[in-house]
Amino acid sequence: DQQVKQNSPSLSVQEGRISILNCDYTNSMFDYFLWYKKYPAEGPTFLISISSIKDKNEDGRFTVFLNKSAKHLSLHIVPSQPGDSAVYFCAASARGAGSYQLTFGKGTKLSVIP
Amino acid sequence: EPEVTQTPSHQVTQMGQEVILRCVPISNHLYFYWYRQILGQKVEFLVSFYNNEISEKSEIFDDQFSVERPDGSNFTLKIRSTKLEDSAMYFCASSVQGARETQYFGPGTRLLVL
Repeated sequence: DQQVKQNSPSLSVQEGRISILNCDYTNSMFDYFLWYKKYPAEGPTFLISISSIKDKNEDGRFTVFLNKSAKHLSLHIVPSQPGDSAVYFCAASARGAGSYQLTFGKGTKLSVIP
Repeated sequence: EPEVTQTPSHQVTQMGQEVILRCVPISNHLYFYWYRQILGQKVEFLVSFYNNEISEKSEIFDDQFSVERPDGSNFTLKIRSTKLEDSAMYFCASSVQGARETQYFGPGTRLLVL
């Protein structure tokens, strides 16, 4: 069961341009969403999160947008830098039962081309 | 910056053997987690732990698995009798609070069962 879906396995972007990574979810109990970045042979590194009471959260070059009616969130990286090249995971946690666990998507591999 | 640490970084074991994976969570965090990622698949939740008790566990976390906080700093995952399908990257994570909180991940232990 894919409660969190990242439908693009990979994305290539020119340095300086915007990277947009997308994530869809099916579980209406999800109310907290996170983006993690992962380099090979390392653990996921937290980037940014958003609660379901908001529709946007910004932190420097990273902005996450949440569209609850569409059950969709996206991560915008502006401007993209070569060091941003990594696998990006969308994750979600639910209210009530299952609130301690994160459910991850399969990830999108971002390549930023110099 | 405080971080989650894990030992060993790599572990090779024979099928049927017991393994213990170790983690040192961030010192002021109260909630601890184990996740795993089988090669090519998504990160999957195994178990969450708070106040010396399991708070949630997934279907993967069967009787072969156990967790323990043997002292004030370590958090361990034991697999009693390893199977080939236990080969995966195992990530420890910790968070200050439980639900709707950012979880910070360690670098992982790569377990290979032969």
